[in-house]
Amino acid sequence: AQSVTQLGSHVSVSEGALVLLRCNYSSSVPPYLFWYVQYPNQGLQLLLKYTTGATLVKGINGFEAEFKKSETSFHLTKPSAHMSDAAEYFCAVSDSGANSKLTFGKGITLSVRP
Amino acid sequence: GAGVSQSPRYKVAKRGQDVALRCDPISGHVSLFWYQQALGQGPEFLTYFQNEAQLDKSGLPSDRFFAERPEGSVSTLKIQRTQQEDSAVYLCASSLLWGTVNEQYFGPGTRLTVT
Repeated sequence: AQSVTQLGSHVSVSEGALVLLRCNYSSSVPPYLFWYVQYPNQGLQLLLKYTTGATLVKGINGFEAEFKKSETSFHLTKPSAHMSDAAEYFCAVSDSGANSKLTFGKGITLSVRP
Repeated sequence: GAGVSQSPRYKVAKRGQDVALRCDPISGHVSLFWYQQALGQGPEFLTYFQNEAQLDKSGLPSDRFFAERPEGSVSTLKIQRTQQEDSAVYLCASSLLWGTVNEQYFGPGTRLTVT
């Protein structure tokens, strides 16, 4: 079975500050890892994903994440927060099989202070 | 092009009523997923279709939940005899092909409230 842990439910940063959202996973097989963003009353949008290859992956809107197998982590970062980054962020894991259902964490709400 | 659409966006049902939630995936997408998102939680997998074949329904919480995709495009999630614990946002996602490397595109969801 796979699982995702996102510690804390809310992170608040100042505009221009570093954004760090933590994600740890558990998987018995090599995982595929994802970060999704959800704006109010909208569907989830893929920010970035790790499948194989380079462990540092870059996504949309200036976000990036690093897969660290030894730490079973896939933390999301952005060097400088914008007001428009305020949203809910979900980390998800899947196996590499044909049935690509996603297992999500509880999500983290990011607030950006002016 | 149009994304994944879901209807209705909001549904209020009295306990015991049956409801039907519709998902229109992106045209040509082979795979279709349903997820349930309770308040304050992440989405949880319900069921998966590849074309019209329902390949995984391991996440359906009870036999009151039923999903179909008869022609391999539009899908309907039906909940019979709704209970208060069914209150959640129901998300539909589609992807072009099968396999995890293919991005799942999510619809805006249907918010179901059972009173």
